[in-house]
Amino acid sequence: DAKTTQPTSMDCAEGRAANLPCNHSTISGNEYVYWYRQIHSQGPQYIIHGLKNNETNEMASLIITEDRKSSTLILPHATLRDTAVYYCIVSSGGSNYKLTFGKGTLLTVNP
Amino acid sequence: DAGVTQSPTHLIKTRGQHVTLRCSPISGHKSVSWYQQVLGQGPQFIFQYYEKEERGRGNFPDRFSARQFPNYSSELNVNALLLGDSALYLCASSGGLTGELFFGEGSRLTVL
Repeated sequence: DAKTTQPTSMDCAEGRAANLPCNHSTISGNEYVYWYRQIHSQGPQYIIHGLKNNETNEMASLIITEDRKSSTLILPHATLRDTAVYYCIVSSGGSNYKLTFGKGTLLTVNP
Repeated sequence: DAGVTQSPTHLIKTRGQHVTLRCSPISGHKSVSWYQQVLGQGPQFIFQYYEKEERGRGNFPDRFSARQFPNYSSELNVNALLLGDSALYLCASSGGLTGELFFGEGSRLTVL
């Protein structure tokens, strides 16, 4: 699976959009971009995933660049409960159950 | 609907002992994966089981073993515990075509 690079930490004001970047320059054509988050002392929570096109669900939006070498997770209106470690993971369909987690980005939402 | 459930939530063992951790997947999910998360790191893949067969194994010693039962629940066993085995052990299930994993809250193991 391709490696990903994320900033170690980010801050965001409550109510503002949080934009979390991820670089995955070695991504293969059949690999998806997945985002999970982990609130302190809880299990990771699936957020969203995509292959080529931008995706949106009730939690977030995922913007993938045309060359697929980077992506951005957008939380449109961050709340204090969005404070968590966010993991960007690249994985092919056949090995989806084996996710390679990095250290992720600690997003702190401030009041 | 019940999510992924794990037991026990916390346990303390001493070096050399054995531990069994249990996981019940979301109803209808046939795949269970196990991950180890040490403090300050992301989760690391240990095993994946699908339809009672091992489908993947991470870079863990043979002291780690697992199995999946006919009802798709799973057990993770660790023998000859070391201090370095202290970690949060996470179980995840999956059943859809889109491949996302649903994690339990984990079992926190402390080895003294």
